[in-house]
Amino acid sequence: GQQLNQSPQSMFIQEGEDVSMNCTSSSIFNTWLWYKQDPGEGPVLLIALYKAGELTSNGRLTAQFGITRKDSFLNISASIPSDVGIYFCAGQMGNYQLIWGAGTKLIIKP
Amino acid sequence: DTGVSQDPRHKITKRGQNVTFRCDPISEHNRLYWYRQTLGQGPEFLTYFQNEAQLEKSRLLSDRFSAERPKGSFSTLEIQRTEQGDSAMYLCASSFGTYGEKLFFGSGTQLSVL
Repeated sequence: GQQLNQSPQSMFIQEGEDVSMNCTSSSIFNTWLWYKQDPGEGPVLLIALYKAGELTSNGRLTAQFGITRKDSFLNISASIPSDVGIYFCAGQMGNYQLIWGAGTKLIIKP
Repeated sequence: DTGVSQDPRHKITKRGQNVTFRCDPISEHNRLYWYRQTLGQGPEFLTYFQNEAQLEKSRLLSDRFSAERPKGSFSTLEIQRTEQGDSAMYLCASSFGTYGEKLFFGSGTQLSVL
């Protein structure tokens, strides 16, 4: 089936560092969504992207819809402890179906 | 709070028992989705409703699973004769149902089948 390759699988970061993660696919998507999930909770929508090349920010988070429409990137600037969690990308081709990445786990170095 | 609400948050059951979960979507949303998520994976689509009509079911959804949305508002997901492989987080999401829509998720129901 269709898959999204999300990387890295996990990241150890120091507080204050910038973070980058990405998703790639062999398929073209019309919409990219980025979610964050805390343990025992449902995913929370962070950013939605609708046009190739689009760059959208939400506070310290910035995401981009790749020009080829096959990839997307999420950057977090000046990370803080509450950024810890799992970040998921999801791509949408048709009217409803989302294809999900396997997630990037963000861990703060002690 | 007008977010997506799911009940119960946790369910422990014995293999072979039936379980039912409830989801209350955001009130103005006409689409409702059920997803399943296991540890270390992204959510996996199960089924979705447009108002009260169930429009799509995943091929992964066995006959033991059934979902309803009787009046186009809340929804229930029932699993009959539970198996240990059914242990997962069951997530409900809702949306306006427009193209390029955003899905808003509930906190999920964590099912453990012993």
